[in-house]
Amino acid sequence: SQKIEQNSEALNIQEGKTATLTCNYTNYSPAYLQWYRQDPGRGPVFLLLIRENEKEKRKERLKVTFDTTLKQSLFHITASQPADSATYLCARDSNYQLIWGAGTKLIIKP
Amino acid sequence: DAGVIQSPRHEVTEMGQEVTLRCKPISGHNSLFWYRQTMMRGLELLIYFNNNVPIDDSGMPEDRFSAKMPNASFSTLKIQPSEPRDSAVYFCASSIPGRRESGANVLTFGAGSRLTVL
Repeated sequence: SQKIEQNSEALNIQEGKTATLTCNYTNYSPAYLQWYRQDPGRGPVFLLLIRENEKEKRKERLKVTFDTTLKQSLFHITASQPADSATYLCARDSNYQLIWGAGTKLIIKP
Repeated sequence: DAGVIQSPRHEVTEMGQEVTLRCKPISGHNSLFWYRQTMMRGLELLIYFNNNVPIDDSGMPEDRFSAKMPNASFSTLKIQPSEPRDSAVYFCASSIPGRRESGANVLTFGAGSRLTVL
């Protein structure tokens, strides 16, 4: 079965540094991987999507990579800020639905 | 656009009671998803509707759970009778597959309904 694995341990990063989150998938490569942000008491919010044939995608301070050899996507936040603290979820497509990772909690310390 | 609207935001009930959660998807979105989120299991898909028709309800835990979508702007998730293990946050999400990021299914979530069954 298809699975998405994210580091379940919280990631603590000093403000101003680059935060890097990992998403690993099993079986065949998905057509695309999506990254969402979830704040406490709220639903996930879409951030970025990367396709199988794309190596890298950027949006402001965010960067996502897709390595089909490693079966991995990396999500980077550069010049991190305390406001970036949240849980970040990775999801892969599976027919009409998405298969979700458990999310990684990111804490940016001032 | 008000986004996906869910109600109630919080529900506390006693075991055995009926619970009804409501969702208004974004206008024009033809796909609707009900998810359940817990610390232990993360986001679990309960049921998926396309054009108001249930396509996949394999994630519905058991017969105590039912969902309806009588029209394009309203859906309900009902639990009867409720049990303490149903305590979770229930999310509704909607999308137009392929509308954003051509070919992809990008979901817009509601704020969720936090259910506590005592």
